[in-house]
Amino acid sequence: LAKTTQPISMDSYEGQEVNITCSHNNIATNDYITWYQQFPSQGPRFIIQGYKTKVTNEVASLFIPADRKSSTLSLPRVSLSDTAVYYCLVGGIYNQGGKLIFGQGTELSVKP
Amino acid sequence: GAVVSQHPSRVICKSGTSVKIECRSLDFQATTMFWYRQFPKQSLMLMATSNEGSKATYEQGVEKDKFLINHASLTLSTLTVTSAHPEDSSFYICSARVTGTYEQYFGPGTRLTVT
Repeated sequence: LAKTTQPISMDSYEGQEVNITCSHNNIATNDYITWYQQFPSQGPRFIIQGYKTKVTNEVASLFIPADRKSSTLSLPRVSLSDTAVYYCLVGGIYNQGGKLIFGQGTELSVKP
Repeated sequence: GAVVSQHPSRVICKSGTSVKIECRSLDFQATTMFWYRQFPKQSLMLMATSNEGSKATYEQGVEKDKFLINHASLTLSTLTVTSAHPEDSSFYICSARVTGTYEQYFGPGTRLTVT
């Protein structure tokens, strides 16, 4: 399974755009990239998933370059409630049944 | 998005007893479910992959006789912690993969405390 590397922590202020980049150099052809958000004592919450180029939904955008060796989660205009740990995961159905191995994640702290 | 539930949300048990945790996919079918545990300030650690109608696949270092997993239907997987010890105290989280897709959703977690 592809290993992922993210910054351990990031700080931001309310209203700013936050970009969190994840490296996954040995991503496989069938792998998708998925980002989750986790608050303390809660299960991870699905944010966004993509395979290549750009994906956007109501809460975030995901940018994936052509070589797919990295990806960037973009959170527009963050608020205090976006303070959480963000995980980037790589995997797919055909790769060991779709199991996901969590890395250390990025602890985002949003300040007023 | 799809909803995954866990029951109970919190449980306290005495050392030496067994505890069962349920994981249900409420509005979709999940051929495959996963069990994780998470210690304070740490990331999630995958324990096992649970496949409907077959034996679970355990990650290296996870005792299959201690953590019994049953996936009897397309919407329910259970994790039983047998002969629990204080070091088994942790936050247990399940996830369910929507059959035929790459989408995977997580339950809210179960806080197990062994006294």
